[in-house]
This record gives sequence, C-alpha cells and structure tokens, in this order.
Amino acid sequence: DTAVSQTPKYLVTQMGNDKSIKCEQNLGHDTMYWYKQDSKKFLKIMFSYNNKELIINETVPNRFSPKSPDKAHLNLHINSLELGDSAVYFCASSQGLWGLTDTQYFGPGTRLTVL
Amino acid sequence: KNEVEQSPQNLTAQEGEFITINCSYSVGISALHWLQQHPGGGIVSLFMLSSGKKKHGRLIATINIQEKHSSLHITASHPRDSAVYICAVSGAQKLVFGQGTRLTINP
Repeated sequence: DTAVSQTPKYLVTQMGNDKSIKCEQNLGHDTMYWYKQDSKKFLKIMFSYNNKELIINETVPNRFSPKSPDKAHLNLHINSLELGDSAVYFCASSQGLWGLTDTQYFGPGTRLTVL
Repeated sequence: KNEVEQSPQNLTAQEGEFITINCSYSVGISALHWLQQHPGGGIVSLFMLSSGKKKHGRLIATINIQEKHSSLHITASHPRDSAVYICAVSGAQKLVFGQGTRLTINP
C-alpha cells in the first residue's frame, strides 16, 4: 500500500495551459505539503496544510493554488503554465505540524515539463 | 547566502569508507532533518533531530545547537548509499533546505 501517492507521475503540457496534480495519503496524517524541486535539485516548500487549513504559503505565483478537499488529499492546481514551472513537484505528509515531531513521508514526485 | 549550507556538494568515495556530510545553518530552528534522495528521484526522511545524536543502522546524525551545525555519518559505506543527501531545518513556520550533497560510492 502506497503511503503518499501522486498522479500523474509525468506531465508534459504546453505553455498557457492549466493543469492539476493530485496527492493522497493513507497514513492518517494531519499535515500535507507541496514542494518544488528545480533543475538544480534544490527543494523548496510551496504550501503546507494542517487539517485542511493553509499554514505555510511561501512566495509562489498566485497561478499556483492548493486545494484540500479533505485531510487525506492536497491537490495542486497550476494556471497559465510557464516554462519556468518545469520542475519535479513532491507531495509529503506528516502527523505533526511542520514535521517537527514526526517524519515526513514523500510521494514519488510529478515531473512537469512545460513546452 | 543560503540559510542552510551543506558541504561538500559532491563526494566520491570507495566502498567501505567512513563518510561525513556537514550542514550549517544560520537561523533559529526547532528541528533539523536529513533526507535521502535516491537516483530514481524518491525522497526518504532519514533523521529528525533537535539535540544530540541519533543512529539508524550504519547512519549516524549529530547536531550541535550552539554551533548551528549537524553532521551525517555513514559507516562502512556501500554503493547502495549513493544518493543525494539533503539537510533541512524547520521552525517558526519555515522549512528551509540545503542544496544537497551528491554522494557516489564506488565498488
């Protein structure tokens, strides 16, 4: 059973399109995260949700919007895709807030390529 | 300058060698995390620590809060340890990552 799953694994799309990446965790965790890993492999947190409430919202373009329909899901919607959005996006979850008291579990990543 | 700096950026060693990867940070933290990213891209949390030392198998992580420094050690390194090791610090509603250390262990 996959703990944190993401779909799709690969996403290739044209500039200007709108796309979504889905994330689900079956660990019963309260906190979920979205990270972006750029071409230099540098990880940056984008968003964090705790019990469906937005907790961390780093400086990302407002074309990115997280949506948490329930505690087990945190989806990422991206509008008007740009070339610079090409990256690998990771979803993660942890029981505690910020992963302070608990390990984070990462999804397999979604490689987004914008042409 | 990044708030979390790792050294070295790249490290190549022979199987069996003792490996040390360093992480220095410049912000107040609640915890420090070590992550491992496999060549296939998957990320695994190795350690989370706020003081002292933790050990898991051949991996040992230490942290010195006063010096704002942490080390990750691998004893009896093996080619399957080849990966990118990432240090991250959390606290004050922030989570900041180092740039990663690419470790290659040759047989």
